[in-house]
Amino acid sequence: EADIYQTPRYLVIGTGKKITLECSQTMGHDKMYWYQQDPGMELHLIHYSYGVNSTEKGDLSSESTVSRIRTEHFPLTLESARPSHTSQYLCASSDSGTGGSSYNEQFFGPGTRLTVL
Amino acid sequence: AQSVTQLDSQVPVFEEAPVELRCNYSSSVSVYLFWYVQYPNQGLQLLLKYLSGSTLVKGINGFEAEFNKSQTSFHLRKPSVHISDTAEYFCAVSDYGGATNKLIFGTGTLLAVQP
Repeated sequence: EADIYQTPRYLVIGTGKKITLECSQTMGHDKMYWYQQDPGMELHLIHYSYGVNSTEKGDLSSESTVSRIRTEHFPLTLESARPSHTSQYLCASSDSGTGGSSYNEQFFGPGTRLTVL
Repeated sequence: AQSVTQLDSQVPVFEEAPVELRCNYSSSVSVYLFWYVQYPNQGLQLLLKYLSGSTLVKGINGFEAEFNKSQTSFHLRKPSVHISDTAEYFCAVSDYGGATNKLIFGTGTLLAVQP
């Protein structure tokens, strides 16, 4: 079944550790996104990718980095986690489309809730 | 620049009552409009979308929304809510024909359905 997956779902880690949040989709979408969502607040785009080897920073500045070596995989890395990175991270993907009903519809993964102590 | 305003951070309502969640947007170009729902500890699920055509859009779970260009609004409605509708609802906008596919989200409205 076509879907979008995120692992881990929950992560509690100490300050200074390097972490990678995984995101994979089996829908064949070329565009992928990472959003940061703090409790009770809106989602902010932190990274996006148009395709393999294409990554851009989003509207909200983030110390994280991303890579897109394969179409289906879009991992997010924090080299040195800090308590300020505590948040929920949501991954999404979409088809480019040239119009039609699928244009711009983003499909979201279940999210990773990160807590940095 | 585009922006989305959700006027109510929380909407309490009794079960089987009607509800309206308000959304206003600001954009200098034509837009696509979306409503997403987020249940606790889950990702976002698309409820409905307006791309073009009829201004009344029907979505899943009995929800509908009406696009009003003159008022730059896209309010979400349901005639009779259930306990299971309790969730966070996000309105979002994307620029028509934009290459980035980026969504701008509102701050969300918590729909709290009480028995």
